[in-house]
Amino acid sequence: GENVEQHPSTLSVQEGDSAVIKCTYSDSASNYFPWYKQELGKGPQLIIDIRSNVGEKKDQRIAVTLNKTAKHFSLHITETQPEDSAVYFCAASISPGYSTLTFGKGTMLLVSP
Amino acid sequence: DTAVSQTPKYLVTQMGNDKSIKCEQNLGHDTMYWYKQDSKKFLKIMFSYNNKELIINETVPNRFSPKSPDKAHLNLHINSLELGDSAVYFCASSRTSANTGELFFGEGSRLTVL
Repeated sequence: GENVEQHPSTLSVQEGDSAVIKCTYSDSASNYFPWYKQELGKGPQLIIDIRSNVGEKKDQRIAVTLNKTAKHFSLHITETQPEDSAVYFCAASISPGYSTLTFGKGTMLLVSP
Repeated sequence: DTAVSQTPKYLVTQMGNDKSIKCEQNLGHDTMYWYKQDSKKFLKIMFSYNNKELIINETVPNRFSPKSPDKAHLNLHINSLELGDSAVYFCASSRTSANTGELFFGEGSRLTVL
């Protein structure tokens, strides 16, 4: 089955800095890579996703890059703000498909004012 | 209007008791899930139902029994609770079971077994 490794487990940055979270996956058949943000006391919420037919996707201050050959993908947050503080999860699956979405172990991002 | 709502939000109980968590989604989705999040924040799928039919049943003790009376509801009953069952349980839904789109999560039910 799929295995998703996520690094780092914690990340502290100053407000205005950039933050990068990296994930690797094991199953070369995986083609859908979403990122979820979980704020304290809430459920995870999708913030951006990328499919294997593109190498990069951007939405305002967040961007995701995908390297299919190396089987890794990254989340980039620019101009971080205190409200970006949360746990971020990467995930991978085959889409369309009936296998489960496999999550990484999460990165706790702390943005200090 | 909350899209995926689960109750109760907090549950504190003694070992050996039986408890239930309820979940409802008003998104018209076909597929619902139960995830367990442990103290290290690791999210693990437990069950998935598509239109009231069980489609995913990961390696979960049979003390856990999900029930889906209709496609908008998925409940989780846990018998003979153990200390290791302490976790946050998340209900989620998606439009289909085919991994084609977003998972919508509820706010979680924190279970503490004493």
